[in-house]
Amino acid sequence: DIQMTQSPSSLSASVGDRVTITCRANQDIRHYLAWYQQNPGKVPKLLIYAASTLQSGVPSRFSGSGSGTDFTLTISSLQPEDVATYYCQKYNSAPLTFGGGTKVQI
Amino acid sequence: QITLKESGPTLVKPTQTLTLTCTFSGFSLSTSGVSVGWIRQPPGKALEWLALIYWNDDKRYSPSLTSRLTITKDTSKNQVVLTMTNMDPVDTGTYYCAHKKWLGTFDYWGQGTLVTVSS
Repeated sequence: DIQMTQSPSSLSASVGDRVTITCRANQDIRHYLAWYQQNPGKVPKLLIYAASTLQSGVPSRFSGSGSGTDFTLTISSLQPEDVATYYCQKYNSAPLTFGGGTKVQI
Repeated sequence: QITLKESGPTLVKPTQTLTLTCTFSGFSLSTSGVSVGWIRQPPGKALEWLALIYWNDDKRYSPSLTSRLTITKDTSKNQVVLTMTNMDPVDTGTYYCAHKKWLGTFDYWGQGTLVTVSS
């Protein structure tokens, strides 16, 4: 089965900083990669699908890139409401594995 | 407007079977390409995908849990049911159901239901 590895597991940044999170698959998943945001105590929310397509309503400071095995989620200017744990997920085929998460703090 | 809601026991004893129901609205699980999945999250830990059922009744399970899981659907009631046998304290967590469309991923989630496994 394909494993999804996120790095870092946590980070601390300042408001306005550019933040980058990486997700790596150990096999080619083409562009079938999603990113979710889970604010503390809340339900996960889909941010990006197909590696780089922003879900409707998601602020444009979020962006995704990559294909194959290496993917990146970027927050161009970190805001207080972006404090959350971010998860990547492969969805080309089952199992629909999630990464271990990256906790973003300010 | 798509909504999903999980229901089931909040407390189960070790070795018991857990049955969770996902009741949804705003879509039909008889529509080609639509599926509903279950995801869980132990307290303070990462999301874990459990199972998926497609509009055509095809089913997929997490390889590590396949022997314990069964997913079914009742299209007329707009419900998906997940059963997990032989519950253990490590199965404690919040269980979510979510909508997935063909070649897409989980775009709508239920609020989640916390299940505690304890004697």
